[in-house]
Amino acid sequence: AQSVAQPEDQVNVAEGNPLTVKCTYSVSGNPYLFWYVQYPNRGLQFLLKYITGDNLVKGSYGFEAEFNKSQTSFHLKKPSALVSDSALYFCAVRGVNNNAGNMLTFGGGTRLMVKP
Amino acid sequence: DGGITQSPKYLFRKEGQNVTLSCEQNLNHDAMYWYRQDPGQGLRLIYYSQIVNDFQKGDIAEGYSVSREKKESFPLTVTSAQKNPTAFYLCASSIDGAYNSPLHFGNGTRLTVT
Repeated sequence: AQSVAQPEDQVNVAEGNPLTVKCTYSVSGNPYLFWYVQYPNRGLQFLLKYITGDNLVKGSYGFEAEFNKSQTSFHLKKPSALVSDSALYFCAVRGVNNNAGNMLTFGGGTRLMVKP
Repeated sequence: DGGITQSPKYLFRKEGQNVTLSCEQNLNHDAMYWYRQDPGQGLRLIYYSQIVNDFQKGDIAEGYSVSREKKESFPLTVTSAQKNPTAFYLCASSIDGAYNSPLHFGNGTRLTVT
């Protein structure tokens, strides 16, 4: 079975500082990896995805993520945090060998708090 | 603007009543999904549909039912058999059922059952 772990319930960072939100995964075969962001009482918004190719993926709002196959990680990063980045972030994985349809497995979410 | 509309935003029901949550999309997407979100548990898949008139159970389908009679619509019924129905329900769609297609989400329906 595939799984995703987001080890930090909350990450606190000062505005202007770099931020990292951690994600590790477990799947059979090659992974498809995604990051989504959720603002209060809203649905999730797609940020970026890793399918294949360059291990550093760039996405929306200045976010990027680094795929590390040996560490089975896909950490979300941003060089300079904004207060408006404060939200709930979800990592998701889908194993290519999963035959049960397009079923993503989501992590439990990490709340990012950016303080002025 | 294209998107996914979920209604109502808030829904209150008495225990023992069935309730139907609406989800409509005008993105011309083939695949649609229902997720349940509980605090600290991420999202869990209830049902998904990759094409009209076809749908599959997800991880937590017990106590729920769906239909997909039209491409644009994927309503979810929470039945009285669902033991713990109070949750935030999210509908999503993707252009197709391919592995790399990102999901587009509606703004959710918060269901409270007392």
